[in-house]
Amino acid sequence: DTAVSQTPKYLVTQMGNDKSIKCEQNLGHDTMYWYKQDSKKFLKIMFSYNNKELIINETVPNRFSPKSPDKAHLNLHINSLELGDSAVYFCASSQDGILGGEKLFFGSGTQLSVL
Amino acid sequence: SQQGEEDPQALSIQEGENATMNCSYKTSINNLQWYRQNSGRGLVHLILIRSNEREKHSGRLRVTLDTSKKSSSLLITASRAADTASYFCATLRGDSNYQLIWGAGTKLIIKP
Repeated sequence: DTAVSQTPKYLVTQMGNDKSIKCEQNLGHDTMYWYKQDSKKFLKIMFSYNNKELIINETVPNRFSPKSPDKAHLNLHINSLELGDSAVYFCASSQDGILGGEKLFFGSGTQLSVL
Repeated sequence: SQQGEEDPQALSIQEGENATMNCSYKTSINNLQWYRQNSGRGLVHLILIRSNEREKHSGRLRVTLDTSKKSSSLLITASRAADTASYFCATLRGDSNYQLIWGAGTKLIIKP
């Protein structure tokens, strides 16, 4: 069974559209994250949720809105997509959250291409 | 902001040789982690070394940490074609800003 699964794997869409990426973890972890990896492979954290509560909210446009219906799911909704949003988005989870310094488990990524 | 910087950016060696990658960072840390990313896949955790540790081993992996130089190295011994991937270091800052800071990675190619 896949520990952290995200869908879709590929997402190609037009500028201005609204899209969502879903993420689920079956590890029983308390904390989930969204990361963005740009074309130069830099990883930047966007959001972190611990037990459905937002604990890290980096400087990302308001067009990005995470939603955590329960601690096993963290979805990312993006409004009014722009060309610069094209990147690979990774979901991740950890046992006790970053405050415990635990290792992260990553999903396989969603490659978003905005045309 | 990026704290970890991996060196070299790319490394190509023959199968069977050892591969060494370095990571430098700027602020005090709680721990340093190494991850591997195969092409088109997510990152996989390899090893975590805490700030009070100097060396750690896991199979063919050896990680060292020098907090005085703010640097770490990852050594992969007897490399295999399957080790071809990008390798990232991530540092957990030791101050109140508990965030993992990532480098841009070292792309390792193992030639058969």
